Amino acid sequence: DVVMTQSPLSLPVTLGQPASISCRSSQSLVYSDGNTYLNWFQQRPGQSPRRLIYRVSNRDSGVPDRFSGSGSGTDFTLTISRVEAEDVAIYYCMQGAHWPRTFGQGTKLEIK
Amino acid sequence: EVQLVESGGGLVQPGGSLRLSCAASGFSFSSYGMNWARQAPGRGLEWVSYISSSSSPIYYADSVNGRFTISRDNAKNSLYLQMNSLRDEDTAVYYCVRALPRGISGPGFDFWGQGTLVTVSS
Repeated sequence: DVVMTQSPLSLPVTLGQPASISCRSSQSLVYSDGNTYLNWFQQRPGQSPRRLIYRVSNRDSGVPDRFSGSGSGTDFTLTISRVEAEDVAIYYCMQGAHWPRTFGQGTKLEIK
Repeated sequence: EVQLVESGGGLVQPGGSLRLSCAASGFSFSSYGMNWARQAPGRGLEWVSYISSSSSPIYYADSVNGRFTISRDNAKNSLYLQMNSLRDEDTAVYYCVRALPRGISGPGFDFWGQGTLVTVSS
């Protein structure tokens, strides 16, 4: 199985400051069609997960543009340009290039 | 508006069975693959199973293979998960998650239901 490793697992951030979460996969996430299938999800307390980013860097509808995704191959990053109070959540990466689908352990973002 | 509504969760003894359902609306259900994912209390997300729009192919996580069966009824816009030989470690919130339309590559996971809690305990 493809192992997804996130860091850090806990991320205290000051309001208005940037934040970055790293996600590394044990195998390349480039699929046979040439696309790279790496998603990012946000899970606020008491809520279901919400997809933020698909195929590395594509923002879902309604996702603020302060969220961005980057990376390639096996190394990916979710960046929040200026953290707001509503961004307190656990963030997960997930690979969709291989079966079984696998998630990172999650990164808990909190306000410092 | 896309809606996925799970039901069927509850308390069951180890070794018992439970059938989860997911009612889909707001999109052409018969054209989309579907997933089940779960989250144990205080833990991370785990993919459980996938079924294509036509019910083939089907995939399972190793942790549930041979015990769980995914199925769908496109006429009823419904997804199911039959869970047998349940174990303590199957205790989790189970989510119904949309995949992608037939013929489109990639995992999807763009819409999630609110989840239904399954508790396996004696």
